[in-house]
Amino acid sequence: EAQVTQNPRYLITVTGKKLTVTCSQNMNHEYMSWYRQDPGLGLRQIYYSMNVEVTDKGDVPEGYKVSRKEKRNFPLILESPSPNQTSLYFCASSPNFSGNEQFFGPGTRLTVL
Amino acid sequence: GDSVTQMEGPVTLSEEAFLTINCTYTATGYPSLFWYVQYPGEGLQLLLKATKADDKGSNKGFEATYRKETTSFHLEKGSVQVSDSAVYFCALTRGGATNKLIFGTGTLLAVQP
Repeated sequence: EAQVTQNPRYLITVTGKKLTVTCSQNMNHEYMSWYRQDPGLGLRQIYYSMNVEVTDKGDVPEGYKVSRKEKRNFPLILESPSPNQTSLYFCASSPNFSGNEQFFGPGTRLTVL
Repeated sequence: GDSVTQMEGPVTLSEEAFLTINCTYTATGYPSLFWYVQYPGEGLQLLLKATKADDKGSNKGFEATYRKETTSFHLEKGSVQVSDSAVYFCALTRGGATNKLIFGTGTLLAVQP
């Protein structure tokens, strides 16, 4: 089944404890992206990747890192999480970057205490 | 910059009622337009899309027409069901380097039996 998977689905952590949220797609998509969803703000792009080893900042990149060593994986890294990073995170992928639809993962709900 | 504005919710309807969720956008050029749906506890799923002016996207009884002259992409359904209860997001992308999806804030639809 074609899909985007994320792990973990739920995570409660404390301020400053490094964490990684994994994202994997099995559709051989070139483009991948991370969004965060906050009440009243919709979804905002954190980082994106046009292909392996090509990543760039989105609208809200502060406090996050990403890597794209393989085409299928695009982990989101929080080196020192803070409470303002408490949010619902979505990974998405797309065959290319020509305005096609993006396929979303199930989401990761992160709480930073 | 580009933006999407959609009507505030929640929208509460009785089963079989007619649904309209308004969406207007601001963007240069000819973006692609989307409606995504988020069912409780799940990720975002593409509901329908339109890639050029006057295109009509349709799926599962939902429709939306890309109106360039009014910069709108309103979502309609003739007869809603309880199973349509979800959050609906209007979004646009101009593709290109970021391929960023710009989302509205979402509209919660609650359908009562």
